[in-house]
Amino acid sequence: EAGVAQSPRYKIIEKRQSVAFWCNPISGHATLYWYQQILGQGPKLLIQFQNNGVVDDSQLPKDRFSAERLKGVDSTLKIQPAKLEDSAVYLCASSPARQGPRTEAFFGQGTRLTVV
Amino acid sequence: KQEVTQIPAALSVPEGENLVLNCSFTDSAIYNLQWFRQDPGKGLTSLLLIQSSQREQTSGRLNASLDKSSGRSTLYIAASQPGDSATYLCAVRGNYGQNFVFGPGTRLSVLP
Repeated sequence: EAGVAQSPRYKIIEKRQSVAFWCNPISGHATLYWYQQILGQGPKLLIQFQNNGVVDDSQLPKDRFSAERLKGVDSTLKIQPAKLEDSAVYLCASSPARQGPRTEAFFGQGTRLTVV
Repeated sequence: KQEVTQIPAALSVPEGENLVLNCSFTDSAIYNLQWFRQDPGKGLTSLLLIQSSQREQTSGRLNASLDKSSGRSTLYIAASQPGDSATYLCAVRGNYGQNFVFGPGTRLSVLP
């Protein structure tokens, strides 16, 4: 089966500009996550969707970050305006709808954002 | 709030050695624990998932153990190879539907 697809792979922008990332989860996976991974740290959850509804966005900086999953399939994460500290790898992951103890999360390749 | 730590932060070993990576978590009420591998500039590849009711899981040269009561998991790598060089992350999931909380990772270098 095809994996989680993300684009672009790399993005360099100036501070105060806006940027958008796209994610297409594994077919049939109802749960979608966006994580932010700063260099040298573990990934940190930004937002979790179940179908097209938000389950957890408690760590999303809502003054500048937004995310949507309108049709319950692919998702877009936007940053506007970007700050230097937003430089990180943005990872998208998905998992099946039926959450059980054997449920794994599958990750995409990530988008590396550099804000200069 | 769940917190996950991993020690050591970095490890360098000669090829052929057996090694152990450690993961600790503060809240023992976990649903499952997953070990991932991350190569530089790449996403995360799942290695092993241990359900909360299990004590260990094995895949090839990898063996992961789980002790929920003490809040610990270990990843054992047998006969290490240079291709094992990567960052290894553990992540725990709380109750049904909750997201994964990650540790900071252990950066492993296996020298030929």
